[in-house]
Amino acid sequence: EAQVTQNPRYLITVTGKKLTVTCSQNMNHEYMSWYRQDPGLGLRQIYYSMNVEVTDKGDVPEGYKVSRKEKRNFPLILESPSPNQTSLYFCASSPISPRRGSIQYFGAGTRLSVL
Amino acid sequence: AQKVTQAQTEISVVEKEDVTLDCVYETRDTTYYLFWYKQPPSGELVFLIRRNSFDEQNEISGRYSWNFQKSTSSFNFTITASQVVDSAVYFCALSEVSGGSNYKLTFGKGTLLTVNP
Repeated sequence: EAQVTQNPRYLITVTGKKLTVTCSQNMNHEYMSWYRQDPGLGLRQIYYSMNVEVTDKGDVPEGYKVSRKEKRNFPLILESPSPNQTSLYFCASSPISPRRGSIQYFGAGTRLSVL
Repeated sequence: AQKVTQAQTEISVVEKEDVTLDCVYETRDTTYYLFWYKQPPSGELVFLIRRNSFDEQNEISGRYSWNFQKSTSSFNFTITASQVVDSAVYFCALSEVSGGSNYKLTFGKGTLLTVNP
């Protein structure tokens, strides 16, 4: 089954404890992206990747890191989480860039709480 | 800069009523794509429809229909004979073809639709 898989689905952590949210897609998509969803703000892009080893900042990249060493994986790293990073996170992938109208497929989401 | 406005934060209807969710967008591009996504209470984001800026034909899919009007920069979504299972947050989104350094979907803030039995 074609899918985008995020893990974990739920995570409670404490301020400053490094964490990684994994994202994997099995559709051989070139483009992957991370969004965060906050009440009243909708979804905002954190980072994106056009292909392996090609990543760039989105609208709200502060406090996050990403890597794209393999085409299928695009982990989101919080080196030193803070309470303002408490949010619902979504990973998305698409065959090509959304600029060409490519439909983005989303993972089920990761709900993160930073205490 | 691209922008999507969903002015209706929350809508509540009774089952079988028709309901229209509004979406107004801003873009300087002449070529762009518009999308609707559904987020049910379980939280995942489900793709509903994509439209490109050159195709202003309205689309109907079962009880769902979409009205795209470039003259008013709107891409509204109507659910006919709503059902409880339609209860969800609905997002409208925009992607510009020549969007400068942007390689993303720009989302509206979403409309929470509650369909009561």
